[in-house]
Amino acid sequence: NAGVTQTPKFRILKIGQSMTLQCTQDMNHNYMYWYRQDPGMGLKLIYYSVGAGITDKGEVPNGYNVSRSTTEDFPLRLELAAPSQTSVYFCASIRLAGASEQFFGPGTRLTVL
Amino acid sequence: GQNIDQPTEMTATEGAIVQINCTYQTSGFNGLFWYQQHAGEAPTFLSYNVLDGLEEKGRFSSFLSRSKGYSYLLLKELQMKDSASYLCALDASGGSYIPTFGRGTSLIVHP
Repeated sequence: NAGVTQTPKFRILKIGQSMTLQCTQDMNHNYMYWYRQDPGMGLKLIYYSVGAGITDKGEVPNGYNVSRSTTEDFPLRLELAAPSQTSVYFCASIRLAGASEQFFGPGTRLTVL
Repeated sequence: GQNIDQPTEMTATEGAIVQINCTYQTSGFNGLFWYQQHAGEAPTFLSYNVLDGLEEKGRFSSFLSRSKGYSYLLLKELQMKDSASYLCALDASGGSYIPTFGRGTSLIVHP
């Protein structure tokens, strides 16, 4: 199993550009999450999904959108990138709710200039 | 809501023992996680406590006291590779599994 994979690893965007961060897991996990992590800070939840076709907002959803058309994929869309979105983005998944460790992807380091 | 507090940074000597504390305020939770995160890498799972008491796993142990709103991660026989950030996270109670993370404690191990 590859686990949770994310692409790209690094990206530089100009203000106002858009992009999609890709996340795929091959463990047949139901729950998937997108976090952002700023320097010296913990993980802030952006969006999460409890299964294909179901998504919900986390703590910091503004400026982002997600979709979950399949169990495996959970892309994160940035529209009109802003410098405040400069961060490291982690995708994570768990098999079932409760008592399940989260498996994290390697992260995408995004800079908006 | 939930509030999690951890020290920002700690230093320790190779071979020593260090305790990283996590205090929290919450209306309810299923359990408490500890994750390790090396610089530039993703978090990796260390432990999950549901019941009060100490859970031991090799050099790492985790403790939970629900009545005191307190947990700690105990690292024994410290090695240089233990230099990392340690994240405390609450597993919120209810139907959805939405963990809330603390800011993390950066541990620096000196030779």
